[in-house]
Amino acid sequence: DAEITQSPRHKITETGRQVTLACHQTWNHNNMFWYRQDLGHGLRLIHYSYGVHDTNKGEVSDGYSVSRSNTEDLPLTLESAASSQTSVYFCASSTGLNSPLHFGNGTRLTVT
Amino acid sequence: QKEVEQDPGPLSVPEGAIVSLNCTYSNSAFQYFMWYRQYSRKGPELLMYTYSSGNKEDGRFTAQVDKSSKYISLFIRDSQPSDSATYLCAMSSTNFGNEKLTFGTGTRLTIIP
Repeated sequence: DAEITQSPRHKITETGRQVTLACHQTWNHNNMFWYRQDLGHGLRLIHYSYGVHDTNKGEVSDGYSVSRSNTEDLPLTLESAASSQTSVYFCASSTGLNSPLHFGNGTRLTVT
Repeated sequence: QKEVEQDPGPLSVPEGAIVSLNCTYSNSAFQYFMWYRQYSRKGPELLMYTYSSGNKEDGRFTAQVDKSSKYISLFIRDSQPSDSATYLCAMSSTNFGNEKLTFGTGTRLTIIP
């Protein structure tokens, strides 16, 4: 079965370190998204991509970057981790027009 | 003011009860309305979606949209312990497979056996 996987499931890092969260989907979807989920804020869009070599900023993109070198993967990089980036991160994908987002099971990131 | 408002709960109801979950919104351009269910430590999964106003039924679940009041509801009949989860509403003015999806903060629901 097609799926979307995120790794690691849990990560603890120190302030100032670079961190990369992985997202891999086997749906062959063009659209991929990164969200963060925090109490009181719900899901907020960080970055998204509509295809290989395409990346776009979302609502809360400061301090984050993504790259899309193939259809399956959209890694999220925190250039210099900050305590405000402690959150649960979800990757999602969709085929595009009026198709639902399929979410991974998240990465819980703690920045100490 | 947020575009989409959702009572975070928590909401606890006995098994078998009818559950009503609601969201209000301010953007009159929203046309696509979705409900996602999120189990603990899992990603959200699409439960139902509707276009424009009206009702949509799927088994024990009914989604209702009232665009004149900018109010959407999800009803769960004969609630089961397996319905215990966080329910997120989501809305879009265009198609809902892109970046324009706006989520509510979620309502945490517990069904008590």
